[in-house]
Amino acid sequence: GNSVTQMEGPVTLSEEAFLTINCTYTATGYPSLFWYVQYPGEGLQLLLKATKADDKGSNKGFEATYRKETTSFHLEKGSVQVSDSAVYFCALSARLGGGADGLTFGKGTHLIIQP
Amino acid sequence: GAVVSQHPSRVICKSGTSVKIECRSLDFQATTMFWYRQFPKQSLMLMATSNEGSKATYEQGVEKDKFLINHASLTLSTLTVTSAHPEDSSFYICSARISRQANEAFFGQGTRLTVV
Repeated sequence: GNSVTQMEGPVTLSEEAFLTINCTYTATGYPSLFWYVQYPGEGLQLLLKATKADDKGSNKGFEATYRKETTSFHLEKGSVQVSDSAVYFCALSARLGGGADGLTFGKGTHLIIQP
Repeated sequence: GAVVSQHPSRVICKSGTSVKIECRSLDFQATTMFWYRQFPKQSLMLMATSNEGSKATYEQGVEKDKFLINHASLTLSTLTVTSAHPEDSSFYICSARISRQANEAFFGQGTRLTVV
């Protein structure tokens, strides 16, 4: 079956530090990969996505590259801000033969940025 | 982006009662909606896939008689937790795809259910 593994949190960094949150996956076929962010008290928001190998998704200074050879989709940001504090979820969508299906999520990584 | 509204955001109910959670797509039609459950410090677990006009498809281990899902229109899906018990206390989240071909899903704000 499909699965997503991401690094355990919480991850605590100082403002302007470099961020990496690791994510690896197991899936049949060729999944699409996503990073979602959940700010305190809010629902999930799509942060970025990539639909095929070597694609790079980017948004708000965050980026992640779809690496098929290592089955990874690590999230990076060069300089984090306090406002980036949230829970980040890596997810995949592996659809076989068309039709909608649900997402498979990692457990989430709680990111805490200190001023 | 597309907006999905979920109501209520918080609900406290007594053990043995039923609770209905609504999920609406506000500016698009969603032929398919998904219901997830999130335990504290855990990932979102897909409970069921809700298709407009047909029966929901439940994931293994999810009791369909306990978690009733109705997708009566292209903009509304409801999840009813029947005869709720304290172990049903959780965060329930719905999401919707803008089309069958789309990969992106839009999420509601979630509903915090507490059964006392």
